[in-house]
Amino acid sequence: QLQLQESGPGLVKPSQTLSLTCAVFGGYVRSGDYSWSWIRQAPGKGLEWIGYIYQNGSTSYNPSLKIRATISADRSKNQFSLKMIPVTAADTAVYYCAREACGVWSGGLCYSYYFDVWGRGTLVTVSS
Amino acid sequence: DIQMTQSPSSVSASVGDTVTITCRASQGISSWLAWYQQKPGKAPQVLIYAASSLQSGVPSRFSGSGSGTDFTLTISRLQPEDFATYYCQHASNSPPRTFGQGTKVDIK
Repeated sequence: QLQLQESGPGLVKPSQTLSLTCAVFGGYVRSGDYSWSWIRQAPGKGLEWIGYIYQNGSTSYNPSLKIRATISADRSKNQFSLKMIPVTAADTAVYYCAREACGVWSGGLCYSYYFDVWGRGTLVTVSS
Repeated sequence: DIQMTQSPSSVSASVGDTVTITCRASQGISSWLAWYQQKPGKAPQVLIYAASSLQSGVPSRFSGSGSGTDFTLTISRLQPEDFATYYCQHASNSPPRTFGQGTKVDIK
């Protein structure tokens, strides 16, 4: 059974770098038709997708965060990571990593993905 | 980007009730929609994908319908463990992924 586990500093100073890692257990980041995403949730707010890395290494980001966020994967450690710079208090949130699976296949193409496995989340507070 | 709008933002219901939550997309997304349940302090869990497909292990009292721009999540025979916040998500193969603002189901 696939499990995901986020790790990283719980406190980051404004203008500095937020770095988080998601360890993958029971599966592999570079196999299967999966994407690996970061999603965040500010206190008392809804869900915001940050971006993903596909199993072939290609990436996609939320346009509102694109210039600040970078997602990468380390096959040797079977994990993927998020870096955001610079951060502000508005980046304070619970950060989740999640796997996206294909929900609808047709003609060899996936038409719909959904987040089928989530990590527990890690709270990152941006404060001096 | 495709915007997702849920209604209502909150609903009060009793055990045994049927609850309906709607989600509207700013443009047609075929059947590419997922629904998630989130309980306080926990990660979301998928209930429905492709608008109406029930995720393995999810009770059959949850059902989804709709296509194009208008979608519905129905919870029949509401159980105590169903009191939570529910999110819809634009789930096509074209990013960005976007979520509705959430609907909180609480006890009347």
